[in-house]
Amino acid sequence: VQLVESGGGLVQPGKSLKLSCSASGFTFSSYGMHWIRQAPGKGLDWVAYISSSSGTVYADAVKGRFTISRDNAKNTLYLQLNSLKSEDTAIYYCARRGVPREFAYWGQGTLVTVSS
Amino acid sequence: DVVLTQTPPTLSATIGQSVSISCRSSQSLLHSNGNTYLNWLLQRPGQPPQLLIYLVSRLESGVPNRFSGSGSGTDFTLKISGVEAEDLGVYYCVQSTHAPYTFGAGTKLELK
Repeated sequence: VQLVESGGGLVQPGKSLKLSCSASGFTFSSYGMHWIRQAPGKGLDWVAYISSSSGTVYADAVKGRFTISRDNAKNTLYLQLNSLKSEDTAIYYCARRGVPREFAYWGQGTLVTVSS
Repeated sequence: DVVLTQTPPTLSATIGQSVSISCRSSQSLLHSNGNTYLNWLLQRPGQPPQLLIYLVSRLESGVPNRFSGSGSGTDFTLKISGVEAEDLGVYYCVQSTHAPYTFGAGTKLELK
């Protein structure tokens, strides 16, 4: 199992960014996927989940601003970040769902910095 | 949302010492299917987290058996029986019984 995030960078407040997570080593379409973030020097913060059938769940802090999606043909998970705030600055990790071994597989993360 | 309260926030240990970390939930983590989806993760500096324990007490493949988990309902414990240098880092409990999923604030294990 390999998960590789990309798309992070420096973005101004109020702007948008789209993160990607490329998956390999397993049948991507069969698994739900998570996005989790970690602000600098802080703890882990669950962001969003998408099921294998594309049902979604969001943390209250990002609901209405972030959108999780997937392209099974490309084995890729996405996170669209809109109306970004300084408090969204974090490393964003994707992780594969596992029942019962939830959070067994993580990517290395991509850093998003929201600053003017 | 479920709140997971981890204690202590910081733990100082010597090599070989046994230590425990507590994770208390604001509501029961027993799922209607009879499983309790409480996991423990370790994050070493500069690394993504790694799974140590799932379903309260099941050891992830490749994780040393000095790690053990216990508990039920709302009270859970991670025990390390004989800390080794490679165990240093931040430990998190995480629940996936109730959406949205939530993490504890973390316990930093450092050398005394």
